[in-house]
Amino acid sequence: EPEVTQTPSHQVTQMGQEVILRCVPISNHLYFYWYRQILGQKVEFLVSFYNNEISEKSEIFDDQFSVERPDGSNFTLKIRSTKLEDSAMYFCASSLERTDSNQPQHFGDGTRLSIL
Amino acid sequence: SQQGEEDPQALSIQEGENATMNCSYKTSINNLQWYRQNSGRGLVHLILIRSNEREKHSGRLRVTLDTSKKSSSLLITASRAADTASYFCAPSGAPGSSNTGKLIFGQGTTLQVKP
Repeated sequence: EPEVTQTPSHQVTQMGQEVILRCVPISNHLYFYWYRQILGQKVEFLVSFYNNEISEKSEIFDDQFSVERPDGSNFTLKIRSTKLEDSAMYFCASSLERTDSNQPQHFGDGTRLSIL
Repeated sequence: SQQGEEDPQALSIQEGENATMNCSYKTSINNLQWYRQNSGRGLVHLILIRSNEREKHSGRLRVTLDTSKKSSSLLITASRAADTASYFCAPSGAPGSSNTGKLIFGQGTTLQVKP
């Protein structure tokens, strides 16, 4: 069964450095998402992306964050200047259609981001 | 989308027993989805039930939906140690609502199945 893949599985970065998290969504999917989960807390929505633009972003997704689909297969999340509180698991997800059109989201296994 | 509230927060059972988790939500939906998260892993989609469906089965999973009570339940029959995980419901809003497809997750139900 096709799956969403994320790289790297673990990223350690110094505070203030830029980091790029990479995702390869399922190939025929059209909607893409990033979520994050701080240790011991809920999974939180960050951003949704469709047709090469952001559909919606949460309050967490401030100017330090950006997303890009640089080619037909990759979907990236960039954090420009990382802070200690950015330490979390970051999950990428994709879906064929929007979720309210009765299509599930498929999640990757996440990238654990540790900011030192 | 809206957040579902799962109940109970934690559930501990013996292998072979059934596990029932409940979900409540506030406004009208088009569908409701259940996801599982094993410790340190991503979320796995289990089952989607549409607003015009009352019950759905998938293997050992049975999901019910009562739109009049705005609630859903997930039943796992003949549980196994491998079912140990957190379970989340995700109601998805009706079409026409301002909905970009995002899912809002609650705290979930943490299920422990003892061998």
